[in-house]
Amino acid sequence: QSVLTQPPSASGTPGQRVTISCSGSSSNIGSSYVYWYQQLPATAPKLLIYRNNQRPSGVPDRFSVSKSGTSASLAISGLRAEDEADYYCAAWDGSLSAWVFGGGTKLTVL
Amino acid sequence: QVQLVQSGAEVKKPGASVKVSCKASGYTFTDYFMHWVRQAPGQGLEWMGWINPNSGGTNYAQTFQGRITMTRDTSISTAYMDLKRLRFDDTAVYYCARVFGGVGEFDYWGQGTLVTFSS
Repeated sequence: QSVLTQPPSASGTPGQRVTISCSGSSSNIGSSYVYWYQQLPATAPKLLIYRNNQRPSGVPDRFSVSKSGTSASLAISGLRAEDEADYYCAAWDGSLSAWVFGGGTKLTVL
Repeated sequence: QVQLVQSGAEVKKPGASVKVSCKASGYTFTDYFMHWVRQAPGQGLEWMGWINPNSGGTNYAQTFQGRITMTRDTSISTAYMDLKRLRFDDTAVYYCARVFGGVGEFDYWGQGTLVTFSS
């Protein structure tokens, strides 16, 4: 049972915009930055978004994040086949003194 | 370029220990904390803890307290994660990941080390 809640799956067609939600609590998302990681099949996770909405170099601006209260959402616009992957949200939980992750969302590009 | 290269896959028996290494290159090893994250087959990510390579200080997730030890050898820029009294549900891919401090982005990850069990 993950501390952060994500939908197990999402899907869209090429060119569409999809969103993936991440719900937490006041001790994690509500009081710290949210981070997002992309994991392509059989590879290590890769940093996608940090400190709520910052993108590392090389990550296209098709990826964006919004955050409100104890929830955050990752939006992917102009969906492409190579976006098919698992997406994880993460945040520091001050009550647990631990990093917590969402259970992951498998994105399928139809 | 920054690289984190982990040791190879391990096959263990229940009750044994496993020690996974993570060799860093391309940056100053002591400037970044090293975190460990694991992923059971078909499951999500689980944070295990961190080590500060500069001081050797550690912070372990409650789930692993008493079974885990993280160490480092600064002379060879390598971090280690030692998990004891292994159980079948410890089957997972274990990743090291670099973070600037205890709380920050996991900006580089190792390739992962698979730990499985023999019957």
